[in-house]
Amino acid sequence: DADVTQTPRNRITKTGKRIMLECSQTKGHDRMYWYRQDPGLGLRLIYYSFDVKDINKGEISDGYSVSRQAQAKFSLSLESAIPNQTALYFCATRRGASTDTQYFGPGTRLTVL
Amino acid sequence: AQTVTQSQPEMSVQEAETVTLSCTYDTSESNYYLFWYKQPPSRQMILVIRQEAYKQQNATENRFSVNFQKAAKSFSLKISDSQLGDTAMYFCAFMIGGNTPLVFGKGTRLSVIA
Repeated sequence: DADVTQTPRNRITKTGKRIMLECSQTKGHDRMYWYRQDPGLGLRLIYYSFDVKDINKGEISDGYSVSRQAQAKFSLSLESAIPNQTALYFCATRRGASTDTQYFGPGTRLTVL
Repeated sequence: AQTVTQSQPEMSVQEAETVTLSCTYDTSESNYYLFWYKQPPSRQMILVIRQEAYKQQNATENRFSVNFQKAAKSFSLKISDSQLGDTAMYFCAFMIGGNTPLVFGKGTRLSVIA
């Protein structure tokens, strides 16, 4: 089984709808991240969390919210989706304050019509 | 703020040839970490290679090696004996330390041609 999972893998929704993307990990890492990937823009950080009680905004947090339900779960919500939020979303984890790499989930392709 | 620049949006290389992907970064820190990630059509992010700034020796992983020039703030990726499976997006990424997230460049799309 994959260490970092994301659900759903693909989602099509309509403008104005609320949508939640979920991330779970079995690596035991305390740090979790949400990134957004757009063509020509690379990956940009939306939110990150050092532990359940420590959540931080990233570069592009407007229009998004997050919830760290447990050490292993980190959800990203779009309260009122807009077409501009059509993108590939990645969850990632890392162990503590290590300088190891971040481990990525398989990504969620979101389309907002 | 730290920035990462990949100046080549697209590149192509013949199978079995060598190709170099460029990456520059901007930081005032003296110690940091650099990464190259590969994203094949499956869209999975795969770590290719990692370099610590305090190490002068360039990192190598099989056919992949880096040319790390700290003074020039340059971190290029060389792929030797290119294979069709190397076709992917390649992202350069930077991190100051364990409390900071990765910062990514915009990526280079590499096509390996038979």
